[in-house]
Order: sequence, then structure tokens, then C-alpha cells
Amino acid sequence: AQTVTQSQPEMSVQEAETVTLSCTYDTSENNYYLFWYKQPPSRQMILVIRQEAYKQQNATENRFSVNFQKAAKSFSLKISDSQLGDTAMYFCAFMNGGNYGGSQGNLIFGKGTKLSVKP
Amino acid sequence: DGGITQSPKYLFRKEGQNVTLSCEQNLNHDAMYWYRQDPGQGLRLIYYSQIVNDFQKGDIAEGYSVSREKKESFPLTVTSAQKNPTAFYLCASSHYQGMNTEAFFGQGTRLTVV
Repeated sequence: AQTVTQSQPEMSVQEAETVTLSCTYDTSENNYYLFWYKQPPSRQMILVIRQEAYKQQNATENRFSVNFQKAAKSFSLKISDSQLGDTAMYFCAFMNGGNYGGSQGNLIFGKGTKLSVKP
Repeated sequence: DGGITQSPKYLFRKEGQNVTLSCEQNLNHDAMYWYRQDPGQGLRLIYYSQIVNDFQKGDIAEGYSVSREKKESFPLTVTSAQKNPTAFYLCASSHYQGMNTEAFFGQGTRLTVV
């Protein structure tokens, strides 16, 4: 079974600085997707960034980037120029890809990291 | 507008009652999911479905039941067998392959036992 581990329950960062959130996962699959989701106090889940396992290039979305180390099964999120609006819970998630059958499509989450951005 | 809709937003249940949470999507997604979130906790998978008329148990399926009679709909029933049902419930849907795979979430249902 796949597992996702976020080892940092809480983190804080000063506004405008950079912070990195850690995530490791365990799988024997070769075709999968990794995600970072943000959950602000409204509790709406918002996709921050996505990485396809077959892509070697790290995904970037504006101030958000990932460090995807497939062999190490590591998927960390870097937030640059942190803003007050980045304050939220951040969840790392894993999804098996592929065709119907078995555990394909199973989407599992880590326990989350609570990020506080301080002015 | 395409999206995923959960209803109701707030739900109160008396002990011993079954209640059903609704989840509808018009995104033509194959897969749908139900998660439970307790205060300050992550998302725990209750059930998921990859295709109509089929679904699989997640990590905490006991005391819950689902159906998937239509592609668009994946209702969750919280039965009286669920001893601690007070929680926030999130429904999601996705494709599970392709370039733009991601999960879209509803706004959640807050269930409280009274």
C-alpha cells in the first residue's frame, strides 16, 4: 500500500522569505502523480502544484516549486517570497495513474503541515 | 460552470440515525472519493470509486456506505454503526490518468451528532 509522510506538523516563516515543506512517499508503482494542496481556514482544498512521475523536470508555478527526487521518493515544496495569504495547511498527496483496475486512481494524503507566515 | 457540489453544508444527526451526504460532479470524471477530516488532522480516505457500479474501501470504511449508480453522483451514508461521526467530510473527483490529472474538491459537509 502507498503511504505519504509529512514530517513537519507545523512551520513558520517571515513574510518575503523562503520556506520548504517536506514530503516522502512509498510506492512500488512507476506511473503516478504527486500533488501539493493548500487548505486555508475556509477549508476549501486548492491545488498548488502537480508533478507527473515520468517527468524529470521539477514543476513550478509562480512562487511555488518542487524538488522531485524519484529514486529517494521525496517531493518537497518550496515557497519563495512568502506572503501572508500563504498561511494555511499544506497537504502532500499521491495518486496511482494508469487504467482501471487494482489501486489505480487511489488518492492518498499526508497528515499535513500547518504553515504560518509572520509579518 | 463545471465543478463538484456537496450538500448540505451543515448537517445534524441524532444518535442512532443514518444520514446521507450528497456529492455531484459535472466534470465527467471517472474517479470519485470521500474523505473524513477531524480537527487539525489530515484527510483519511473512506471510500473511492473508479467507475460506475464499483467502489473500494479506504482506510476507515467501517460505519459508512456508498453507491455509484451514476457517473456524476457518489453519495455517502453515515450509518448508526459509525460511533464517532462528528467530522468534516470532503468529496473529490478526478481523472486518474492524463496530462491534467488533479483532484477537484467540494466545499465540504460539517456533520455534527446532537
